[in-house]
Amino acid sequence: AQSVTQLDSQVPVFEEAPVELRCNYSSSVSVYLFWYVQYPNQGLQLLLKYLSGSTLVKGINGFEAEFNKSQTSFHLRKPSVHISDTAEYFCAVRSSSASKIIFGSGTRLSIRP
Amino acid sequence: EPEVTQTPSHQVTQMGQEVILRCVPISNHLYFYWYRQILGQKVEFLVSFYNNEISEKSEIFDDQFSVERPDGSNFTLKIRSTKLEDSAMYFCATRERGHTEAFFGQGTRLTVV
Repeated sequence: AQSVTQLDSQVPVFEEAPVELRCNYSSSVSVYLFWYVQYPNQGLQLLLKYLSGSTLVKGINGFEAEFNKSQTSFHLRKPSVHISDTAEYFCAVRSSSASKIIFGSGTRLSIRP
Repeated sequence: EPEVTQTPSHQVTQMGQEVILRCVPISNHLYFYWYRQILGQKVEFLVSFYNNEISEKSEIFDDQFSVERPDGSNFTLKIRSTKLEDSAMYFCATRERGHTEAFFGQGTRLTVV
């Protein structure tokens, strides 16, 4: 079975500062990894995904994430955040042999001016 | 850009009533999912559906829940006799065959009173 752990429930940062949202996963088989963003009162939007190959993946809105197999991590980063990045961010995993996507508990990113 | 459409956006129902939540998948997507998110909590998997049958379901998806694709376009989630604890945001998601990521609708906020 797969599981996802997001270590921080809330991350406050100042505008234009860098941010890292942490995610660790566990699985006995190969996985696909995702980050989704949920803006207030909206649905889930795919930020980026890791399937295979290069461990550094780039997504929309300037976000990127790095897959680290040895540490079973898939941390999300952005070098300089904007007020508009205020949202809930969900790390998710899907086994290569299954259909469902399992979500972490989410990290609320709040940006201070 | 194609999107998953959910109706209604908000539904209020009395405890014990039946509700049907509707989803129009992205055209040519063959995998369908329902997720729910209780206010302030994580996104939880309910059920996946492929080839006109349930492929996987969670412990949450008990006999009160059912899914179907009644007319080849809509994908519905029925809750037979709603309970207060069914109050949540319900998300439909769809995935194209051969692709890894799922696309989510904007959600239906169900309030049981």
